[in-house]
Amino acid sequence: DSGVTQTPKHLITATGQRVTLRCSPRSGDLSVYWYQQSLDQGLQFLIQYYNGEERAKGNILERFSAQQFPDLHSELNLSSLELGDSALYFCASSVAASTQETQYFGPGTRLLVL
Amino acid sequence: DQQVKQNSPSLSVQEGRISILNCDYTNSMFDYFLWYKKYPAEGPTFLISISSIKDKNEDGRFTVFLNKSAKHLSLHIVPSQPGDSAVYFCAASAAGLVLTGANSKLTFGKGITLSVRP
Repeated sequence: DSGVTQTPKHLITATGQRVTLRCSPRSGDLSVYWYQQSLDQGLQFLIQYYNGEERAKGNILERFSAQQFPDLHSELNLSSLELGDSALYFCASSVAASTQETQYFGPGTRLLVL
Repeated sequence: DQQVKQNSPSLSVQEGRISILNCDYTNSMFDYFLWYKKYPAEGPTFLISISSIKDKNEDGRFTVFLNKSAKHLSLHIVPSQPGDSAVYFCAASAAGLVLTGANSKLTFGKGITLSVRP
C-alpha cells in the first residue's frame, strides 16, 4: 500500500459524458501527478500540481482539467469523453516537486468509455 | 516521438538466473533515470534510480547500469525470483532543468513484462 488513494477504482461511462477522478496523496506529500496509461502504452504524464499550484504540464488534452485543493487532494476532470479516452489513470504523489523525489503511485482508476 | 524506449516487450528467465532489462533513450537532456515495477491491479512502485553522474547503482538484488554515450541503461536482477514477475517501466527526467524552471516531468517507456519461471 503506497498510501495514495484513488477513487473510483472502475468507471464505465458513455461518449460525450464528463467524469471526475479523485486522488488523495500520501500524508505530507505536496506534489500530485496524473498519468494516463492506454493499451500498449507506457505511462503518459498529464499534469503536476504542487501545493495547490499547477507545476508542470504534459500531453493533457484541452478536454481534461485538474486541480489540487487546500487539503492537497486532487481531481482530474475528463469531459466530452471519447472512446480513445478509455485507459488507466494513475495519480502519484511526492514530498516536493523535483523528479528526483520518489513518486508513490495509487492503484489507478480504470475508465471505460462506451 | 518516443524518448524512452523499451524495445523488448517481454522477457522470461529461470528462477535463480539473471534478468537483464534494457532501456534506451534519445533525449540527451535526461539526467536522472528510474525503474518502476508494476503488478496487475496495482500502481507502479519505485525500484531503483540512477543519476547521470554515476554509471552504476546497486540495491540488494537490483543493479542499474547507465551508459551515457550509448544512451542506454539496464536493470539487472540477480538472482531472479518468481515474485519478480511483473511489468518493469524505465523512466527518465531532465531534473537539471528544474533549476531553470522548466518542466520536471517523468517520461516513461512502454514497459517490459518479466516472467520468472520456478
